[in-house]
Amino acid sequence: QKEVEQNSGPLSVPEGAIASLNCTYSDRGSQSFFWYRQYSGKSPELIMFIYSNGDKEDGRFTAQLNKASQYVSLLIRDSQPSDSATYLCAEGGSTLGRLYFGRGTQLTVWP
Amino acid sequence: DVKVTQSSRYLVKRTGEKVFLECVQDMDHENMFWYRQDPGLGLRLIYFSYDVKMKEKGDIPEGYSVSREKKERFSLILESASTNQTSMYLCASSWTDEQYFGPGTRLTVT
Repeated sequence: QKEVEQNSGPLSVPEGAIASLNCTYSDRGSQSFFWYRQYSGKSPELIMFIYSNGDKEDGRFTAQLNKASQYVSLLIRDSQPSDSATYLCAEGGSTLGRLYFGRGTQLTVWP
Repeated sequence: DVKVTQSSRYLVKRTGEKVFLECVQDMDHENMFWYRQDPGLGLRLIYFSYDVKMKEKGDIPEGYSVSREKKERFSLILESASTNQTSMYLCASSWTDEQYFGPGTRLTVT
């Protein structure tokens, strides 16, 4: 059974700062990782995925994968109050497309 | 855009009732999933399906069953609803690993 651990938070940062969200995983052989954003009362929305070691950038978001240390992180630059949400990390690579989710980190960006 | 729809946003049922939650996706995805989400417990997988009429148990299948008669539709059935099944139910679909979620159904069992 794969396990994904996330900082439970909550994490609070001022507007304009960099928010750093971290996640560790148990299966050294895992190949794919995902970040979902979930606003209160809404369903999770896929915002980033990463398959290769290193960084992947998309606008203000950067996903980082370090397979040797078995962690994946999400950096949000120039954080905005609209980024306030719970961020879920997920590990994939299982048969049949199953994902294993962490419990999420709640982020608050204050003006 | 991927579109996953769920039959109801809010549902209130009585203990002992049989409850059907429906999920439909329009992207010809092979895989479909049912989760429940509770505060402090995160997303927990109930059942998933990788093809028509095929199903696999997730981590918490007890008290639930599923049906997938058509590729685009995946139903979750609560055979006899109980108060501990009050939760947010989320459906997702995928072609490979990237899962896309529906809006969710908040079910209250009284």
